[in-house]
Formats: sequence, structure tokens, C-alpha cells
Amino acid sequence: DAGVIQSPRHEVTEMGQEVTLRCKPISGHNSLFWYRQTMMRGLELLIYFNNNVPIDDSGMPEDRFSAKMPNASFSTLKIQPSEPRDSAVYFCASSREQKNQPQHFGDGTRLSIL
Amino acid sequence: SQKIEQNSEALNIQEGKTATLTCNYTNYSPAYLQWYRQDPGRGPVFLLLIRENEKEKRKERLKVTFDTTLKQSLFHITASQPADSATYLCALDNNAGNMLTFGGGTRLMVKP
Repeated sequence: DAGVIQSPRHEVTEMGQEVTLRCKPISGHNSLFWYRQTMMRGLELLIYFNNNVPIDDSGMPEDRFSAKMPNASFSTLKIQPSEPRDSAVYFCASSREQKNQPQHFGDGTRLSIL
Repeated sequence: SQKIEQNSEALNIQEGKTATLTCNYTNYSPAYLQWYRQDPGRGPVFLLLIRENEKEKRKERLKVTFDTTLKQSLFHITASQPADSATYLCALDNNAGNMLTFGGGTRLMVKP
């Protein structure tokens, strides 16, 4: 089975530009999670979806961040406008909806905002 | 406030020894706890899950314990190998759906 697929793997852009990160979850998984990982703050949950519906977005840092899941096989995380402090590795993960399910992570997008 | 604490200092051990990593938490009442492995440049990979009513779980050379009184989980790798070198993260549910909150991870270095 294909795992969680994220694109791009690396993104370097200038401050103020719009950034769009993409994720394809594992087929049959109906929960999807977006995380951000930095040395200082570790792995932080930004938002998660169940059955394409956002359930908890309390981790989204500010209005510059938005996430969508238009269908069961695709999600995007958008930052507009981007700032240098957004530089981090962004991970997408998916799981089955029930509690106690392991989460399956993609290999992340390393984002650098200059 | 809620906290999940893992030793931020790297753990260095000799090949063949048992590695023991600690995960302590405060102001959580998790129904289960998970352990993940993360290699550089990769996403975390699930290893083991232990429920609050389980004291211990084993999988091959891995063993996890869960003490809800001490609010602590221990993660053991027996007969460690250089290939076990990675960062290990614990994660708790917070009784809010299937969300997890992750600790900061501990880096393990196994030397030949």
C-alpha cells in the first residue's frame, strides 16, 4: 500500500509569498492531521479532519494559515502571506477514525521562508 | 498546565545493552499511549500502543510499560543495535477524539 504522500518535499520562498503544501492520505483512512515540527516546539498539531470535515483547528497559529480537504484523498495547507518564522517541517498524517489507531505520517515538507 | 516530558538530552549506549527511554506527563488522563520512531528527514513511524489498563506490552525487542499512578511510560529496547539509533517520541490521547499530543522526543545513539 502507498503511504501518506506529501508534496513538495522542500520549498524555499521569499517572505510574503503564498505557500501551498499538499497531502494525499492512505486510502480508507478518514482522519487527517497536519503537524508542524521545529527544534524549539517539537511536533505540534495544527488541524485535523474527520471525513473531510475540520474538527479541531485550535493549533493553527493565525489567520495566515488555512487548510482544506475537498475530498477523501487530498488536503492542502496554505500560508498566505508567509513569514520567516513559518520555517519548519510540516507533516501530514492519516489514520482510521476510531480511537487507539496509529497515525501514519508522510515524510514532510521542509519549508524555508527567506 | 499539560506537559509531556521526554529527556531532551541524547541517550548514548553501547551495542547489545538495553536502552530505556522515559515519558512523563502531567495533567493528562490518557486512555492510551503510543510510541513512535523518527529518523532524520523522515516522518514518525508508529511502534507500539499501550492502553491505560495494560501494565506492559512487548513486540520483538521492544517493551513498553505504562504506570498511570506515576504518570509515566518507559520504553525499552533490549539487545540494542546501531540501527536502533533514532529519535523516539511518545504520544498521548487527550480524550478528544483521535487526536494525539506528542512529547519532544529523545534521541538514542547506539554505538558499535
